[in-house]
Amino acid sequence: EPEVTQTPSHQVTQMGQEVILRCVPISNHLYFYWYRQILGQKVEFLVSFYNNEISEKSEIFDDQFSVERPDGSNFTLKIRSTKLEDSAMYFCASSEHRGGAYSNQPQHFGDGTRLSIL
Amino acid sequence: AQKVTQAQTEISVVEKEDVTLDCVYETRDTTYYLFWYKQPPSGELVFLIRRNSFDEQNEISGRYSWNFQKSTSSFNFTITASQVVDSAVYFCALSEGGGGFKTIFGAGTRLFVKA
Repeated sequence: EPEVTQTPSHQVTQMGQEVILRCVPISNHLYFYWYRQILGQKVEFLVSFYNNEISEKSEIFDDQFSVERPDGSNFTLKIRSTKLEDSAMYFCASSEHRGGAYSNQPQHFGDGTRLSIL
Repeated sequence: AQKVTQAQTEISVVEKEDVTLDCVYETRDTTYYLFWYKQPPSGELVFLIRRNSFDEQNEISGRYSWNFQKSTSSFNFTITASQVVDSAVYFCALSEGGGGFKTIFGAGTRLFVKA
């Protein structure tokens, strides 16, 4: 079964440094997402991306964050100047349709990248 | 606005007991989708089920069953004859069908199943 892959599984970065989290969505999917889960808390929506532009973003997704689909397969999340509070698990997801709701499958989630800011 | 409430923060049961995880949602859309995900200690999100707002038929899959009640805006999840491997955090989630892109998650219920 096709799956969403995320690299690295664990990223350790010094505060203030830039970090790029990488995701390879399922190949025929058109909608891409990033979610964040601070340790012990719920999964929070960050941003969705379709047709090479952001389609929706949350208030968490401020100017420090950006997303990009640099080629036909990768989908990246960049944090420009990391803060301690950016430490979290970051999940990438993809879906055939908007919100994952119209197809037989929902959003497919990757296994996550654990980001630790020191 | 969308909201998902999982009032049970933690539940502890003994193996072979049945357990029900509660989920109450809020949405203004008439078309929406509800999900349950399992997050084992390894951290990944495992999709369990999706229901759409037009289908209130309850579903059973092995030891898992789901009770969707639009009248009470609830989508509860029951594990029958729980096993130690069921120990995980379970998230209920909502996606609106009216053009929204995001999925809103509840706070999760941590289930401990003791041998």
